[in-house]
Amino acid sequence: GAGVSQTPSNKVTEKGKYVELRCDPISGHTALYWYRQSLGQGPEFLIYFQGTGAADDSGLPNDRFFAVRPEGSVSTLKIQRTERGDSAVYLCASSPTSGGYNEQFFGPGTRLTVL
Amino acid sequence: GQQVMQIPQYQHVQEGEDFTTYCNSSTTLSNIQWYKQRPGGHPVFLIQLVKSGEVKKQKRLTFQFGEAKKNSSLHITATQTTDVGTYFCAGPRGWDSNYQLIWGAGTKLIIKP
Repeated sequence: GAGVSQTPSNKVTEKGKYVELRCDPISGHTALYWYRQSLGQGPEFLIYFQGTGAADDSGLPNDRFFAVRPEGSVSTLKIQRTERGDSAVYLCASSPTSGGYNEQFFGPGTRLTVL
Repeated sequence: GQQVMQIPQYQHVQEGEDFTTYCNSSTTLSNIQWYKQRPGGHPVFLIQLVKSGEVKKQKRLTFQFGEAKKNSSLHITATQTTDVGTYFCAGPRGWDSNYQLIWGAGTKLIIKP
């Protein structure tokens, strides 16, 4: 079956611009996660959705970052007034449910470059 | 704050040699997960360990969870080129949260030419 998909695969933008990154999780997965990964580092948790609601957004670095999942499936990560320090690979993952011990299935990521 | 540390950062081995990566948490973990990320790829789940002192094997890979549930290791016997990549451990933040994973920085396995 189809895995987690993310679009675009690469995004180059200029400092100060707005970007949207899309994640399409595995069908039926209720839990969705966004991570950010910088070179040579492990993924850094940003936000977690259970269904439509953001159950935990404590990892979002500041109020320029926002994410939605209006219908409990596709999610969009939105970054306003991008800064060079936002450059990273943004990973999305989904799992069948939260709680319990469920592996997370990752998408291929979106590489964001802010010039 | 809670931290997960992994060593070494890199390990260069000849094909056929063994590889080991170690993971240490600053807090007791309810479970620990291991992922593999190939160069240019995304993390792929390998295994989850839950019980104190647990040992699990997947072919040439052996995973251990410490008795105190604060450390873990992954050992690969007789490495092959397909093993190349970065191996991450990740543990949940807090005892009753399983979704917010704290990740180690990873150990990169490099096969010497």
